[in-house]
Amino acid sequence: GAGVSQSPRYKVAKRGQDVALRCDPISGHVSLFWYQQALGQGPEFLTYFQNEAQLDKSGLPSDRFFAERPEGSVSTLKIQRTQQEDSAVYLCASSLRRQFNQPQHFGDGTRLSIL
Amino acid sequence: QQQVKQSPQSLIVQKGGISIINCAYENTAFDYFPWYQQFPGKGPALLIAIRPDVSEKKEGRFTISFNKSAKQFSLHIMDSQPGDSATYFCAAREDSSYKLIFGSGTRLLVRP
Repeated sequence: GAGVSQSPRYKVAKRGQDVALRCDPISGHVSLFWYQQALGQGPEFLTYFQNEAQLDKSGLPSDRFFAERPEGSVSTLKIQRTQQEDSAVYLCASSLRRQFNQPQHFGDGTRLSIL
Repeated sequence: QQQVKQSPQSLIVQKGGISIINCAYENTAFDYFPWYQQFPGKGPALLIAIRPDVSEKKEGRFTISFNKSAKQFSLHIMDSQPGDSATYFCAAREDSSYKLIFGSGTRLLVRP
C-alpha cells in the first residue's frame, strides 16, 4: 500500500483481556517503530525493529507489552492483562533504510480503550 | 523529565497571520529536529526537519529557525490558513539513535 496501515482502528477491551494490534509498514521499509500516544500528549517511543530483529525495546512500559515482526514485514504489538492506563493511541511508523537519518512515516494508529 | 519542551499549548491565529511555535531542549546529543503535523484521527505527518549545522530551513510557508547556543528551535507558519488548523509536534533525535523524542504538542486554530 501507499502508507503505513494499522488495524483495527479502534479497539475496546475489558480490563484484564489481552489485545493484539497489527501494523503493515510501507512495502520494503526495513525499520519499524511503535509509539504510544496518550490523549493530548506527544507520541512516546515503545520499540524498534530492523527487519525481524527487535533492536530496542526500552520504551515498553512493562512485561505485559510484547512486540514481534517475525518475517521482517508485518508487526504485532500485544498487550496482556490490559489495564486502564493502557488506554491510548498506538502508532506504528516505518522508514526505508536502517540509517539513523531516515524519516519515519506514521500510520493513523489504533485507539485502544480499556474499560 | 520532559526532554523537549514545547510552547504554547494552544494558539489561535487569524487567516493570513504568522503562527509561531517554540521548542527547547537540554540534550546536546540531539542532532535532528523534525516537526510533525497531526490532524484528528490521523497519524503525525512529517512537515519539515533541520539539523544543527544550519540556522534556518524554509519549505514553502513553513520555516524552522534553530538557535544552537540557546538550544531552542521554532516553527513559523507564514500566511496561516484554516487548513493549517491541526496539532503540531516538535521532536528531536540523538545522534546514533532511532527513537524520536516528541514535545507535548501545540493545538493551532486558524480562524477564517
